[in-house]
Amino acid sequence: AQSVTQPDIHITVSEGASLELRCNYSYGATPYLFWYVQSPGQGLQLLLKYFSGDTLVQGIKGFEAEFKRSQSSFNLRKPSVHWSDAAEYFCAVGAYNTDKLIFGTGTRLQVFP
Amino acid sequence: NAGVTQTPKFRVLKTGQSMTLLCAQDMNHEYMYWYRQDPGMGLRLIHYSVGEGTTAKGEVPDGYNVSRLKKQNFLLGLESAAPSQTSVYFCASSYLAEGLNNEQFFGPGTRLTVL
Repeated sequence: AQSVTQPDIHITVSEGASLELRCNYSYGATPYLFWYVQSPGQGLQLLLKYFSGDTLVQGIKGFEAEFKRSQSSFNLRKPSVHWSDAAEYFCAVGAYNTDKLIFGTGTRLQVFP
Repeated sequence: NAGVTQTPKFRVLKTGQSMTLLCAQDMNHEYMYWYRQDPGMGLRLIHYSVGEGTTAKGEVPDGYNVSRLKKQNFLLGLESAAPSQTSVYFCASSYLAEGLNNEQFFGPGTRLTVL
């Protein structure tokens, strides 16, 4: 069965520091992978997605993610975090030609000045 | 272009009461979804629809019903609310594109409390 694991429930970083949020997936076929961000009291906004091709994907707000098939991972990175990046981040996996996504449990990011 | 909108934004119910949450999208999307979000559990799919007049069960459908009478609207009903249904409810929609798993667009959420 498909599943997504985000091992880190809560991460705290200082503003200007680099960030990596982990995401591991379990899926038998080629996955379609997504990262969403949820600011407090808001809905989810797509940061980036991977369908095929280049395994390093660029997204909005300076985020990037790298698909590593051998590690079943799709980690989200940002070289320098801003206070406005404080939010909850969700990784999600889907499959070719299907209509559902499986979401991870989320990682809450706190940014200190 | 409003995207995905949800009504109401907040609601407090007593146990046993009923209510309907409305989701509307103006992007002409085929697919629509209802999720619930609970602390530490991420988003769980309640019901979804792949087109007007069709609905299907998701991961946690018990206690909920849905209807998709118009392409742009997807209603979520609670016939007899229970405290376990206290949650934040999100609606999402996505377009139909052959061969792709489609990006979902989310509404702002409805915070429901059942006393």
